[in-house]
Amino acid sequence: GIQVEQSPPDLILQEGANSTLRCNFSDSVNNLQWFHQNPWGQLINLFYIPSGTKQNGRLSATTVATERYSLLYISSSQTTDSGVYFCAVGPMDSGGYQKVTFGTGTKLQVIP
Amino acid sequence: DVKVTQSSRYLVKRTGEKVFLECVQDMDHENMFWYRQDPGLGLRLIYFSYDVKMKEKGDIPEGYSVSREKKERFSLILESASTNQTSMYLCASSILAGTGNTIYFGEGSWLTVV
Repeated sequence: GIQVEQSPPDLILQEGANSTLRCNFSDSVNNLQWFHQNPWGQLINLFYIPSGTKQNGRLSATTVATERYSLLYISSSQTTDSGVYFCAVGPMDSGGYQKVTFGTGTKLQVIP
Repeated sequence: DVKVTQSSRYLVKRTGEKVFLECVQDMDHENMFWYRQDPGLGLRLIYFSYDVKMKEKGDIPEGYSVSREKKERFSLILESASTNQTSMYLCASSILAGTGNTIYFGEGSWLTVV
């Protein structure tokens, strides 16, 4: 199956700093999503981005499908950004069943 | 807003017990999923369903079964709970296909098997 690698595994930031999280995947995809899991376990979808660039406030994401990676940018980080960020991908041949594979996540801690 | 509701937030069960985890979504989504999350392993797919009474095995189906009798409800069943099934279980749903088929998650169920 498709392999998903995220880096770095852990990240500590001072409030106000910027960061870039990376997701590499091993095969062509037609589905790529970024999620944030808060400290209470709730997973929230941040972006659906199989290709191109999107922005939502202080967060933006870019996927270069031909080179099989995606980047999540966090600018002016806040303590509420703390948690685990997951990348999830669905391969080209998944048809209508959307079977996605998750990476192991980047654990972010933003300190005041 | 899409809402995916898991019936129990925290459960403690004994080894050998039969355990039911219930999940309901309110957006008429075709796809529903059960994942488990363990430290260092990310989210792993147990089972998914793309229609009523339909199910497909995910990556780690052993020791689990599922039931989908109604479109909005997807149940995960541990026939005989074991300590290695202690984990957080996440239910999710999405539309069947097409662009923008975002996955929506429930809040998770923390299961401890003693």
